[in-house]
Amino acid sequence: DAGITQSPRYKITETGRQVTLMCHQTWSHSYMFWYRQDLGHGLRLIYYSAAADITDKGEVPDGYVVSRSKTENFPLTLESATRSQTSVYFCASRSQLYTGELFFGEGSRLTVL
Amino acid sequence: KNQVEQSPQSLIILEGKNCTLQCNYTVSPFSNLRWYKQDTGRGPVSLTIMTFSENTKSNGRYTATLDADTKQSSLHITASQLSDSASYICVVSDRDDKIIFGKGTRLHILP
Repeated sequence: DAGITQSPRYKITETGRQVTLMCHQTWSHSYMFWYRQDLGHGLRLIYYSAAADITDKGEVPDGYVVSRSKTENFPLTLESATRSQTSVYFCASRSQLYTGELFFGEGSRLTVL
Repeated sequence: KNQVEQSPQSLIILEGKNCTLQCNYTVSPFSNLRWYKQDTGRGPVSLTIMTFSENTKSNGRYTATLDADTKQSSLHITASQLSDSASYICVVSDRDDKIIFGKGTRLHILP
């Protein structure tokens, strides 16, 4: 089915381990985003990408790494997971700037023990 | 500082009743405002978008209003249904395309 998909939907890991969350979109949208959602904070931008091979930091980038070698994929890696990175992570895409709607994936719930 | 404040934080109403959610923002220069609906365990989905020149926009039983002078928006839900139980997030963009999210209002519809 076309759209934006995230995997895994649920992940439990331990402190210090590397974790990669995958995001794939089938619309060929130029812009892709990673957000985290925590109680009391709403959605906060981690990283975004305007096109393949172009990425930029958002509001809370520390501890995260992204890449975008292909337009349709935008993986998010936690190089050494910490308990404070326990959260729900949402990937989103958008076809254009300014008035373009954000299309969100279903989310990846990550627990770091 | 650009901020988006939503009220109330949570709201409980009976099925069939109407309700209004509020959004106040300090984002400048303003570009547009969207309301998103987020069902439990799902990603947010856009309900409406409003630009500076628009003051009312409807999407079925959802009606959004915008007062750009007072920097306030509201989302009115008419004849609520159980499926309206969700979080509603106000999202404001500035002209540099920075997107600022409110923390959301959690709406519970009781049968």
